[in-house]
Amino acid sequence: QVQLQESGPGLVKPSETLSLTCTVSGGSMSNHYWSWIRQPPGKGLEWIGYIYYSGNTKYSPSLKSRITISVDTSKNQFSLKLNSVTAADTAVYYCARGIPAAFKPYYYYGMDVWGQGTTVTVSS
Amino acid sequence: QSVLTQPPSASGTPGQRVTISCSGSSSNIGSNTVNWYQQLPGTAPKLLIFNNNQRPSGVPDRFFGSKSGTSASLAISGLQSEDEADYYCAAWDDSLNGHVIFGGGTKLTVL
Repeated sequence: QVQLQESGPGLVKPSETLSLTCTVSGGSMSNHYWSWIRQPPGKGLEWIGYIYYSGNTKYSPSLKSRITISVDTSKNQFSLKLNSVTAADTAVYYCARGIPAAFKPYYYYGMDVWGQGTTVTVSS
Repeated sequence: QSVLTQPPSASGTPGQRVTISCSGSSSNIGSNTVNWYQQLPGTAPKLLIFNNNQRPSGVPDRFFGSKSGTSASLAISGLQSEDEADYYCAAWDDSLNGHVIFGGGTKLTVL
């Protein structure tokens, strides 16, 4: 059974770069989409972006200028970097797996496996 | 502001049937499939419905998803106390090279 685990600093200073890693265990990264989603305190879910196991990416238009998602299939990990953070980037960050879909290229169905989430606070 | 519109709250008594709506547009729900997530307090979201009306293994058939035009609905029958949670719809939006959008979420209270 595939499991995901986020890791990274829980506190980041304003204007610095937030870096998180998601480790995939119990299965292969092949043929799946690997996503990042976040949830500010008391608010709803926001999709950040994904990376396909082969390296193709899609990003949220509102965050595109600040984010990079990368993958290392040899380590069964994928990572998120969000630069120039502000207090508005304070959130629980989740990694998740997308189900490959047939209806459009590089789209996926729902995200069927999620990590437990990691809280990142942006503060000096 | 979410592009997919959900009612902020819904409620029902045990055994009842409740429906949660999700309204979008031609660039998202009108062109792509809809997924629903359940988020119990303090936990990660769980996929409840994908591809409009398919349930992942382990999701009870009390949960039913449907889509018509630019709107979708999640129906929960035989409401149980453990169904009290936040529910989110999600879909791809074809604008700006394609991205996933979520509804604002609906807090379901079991009275």
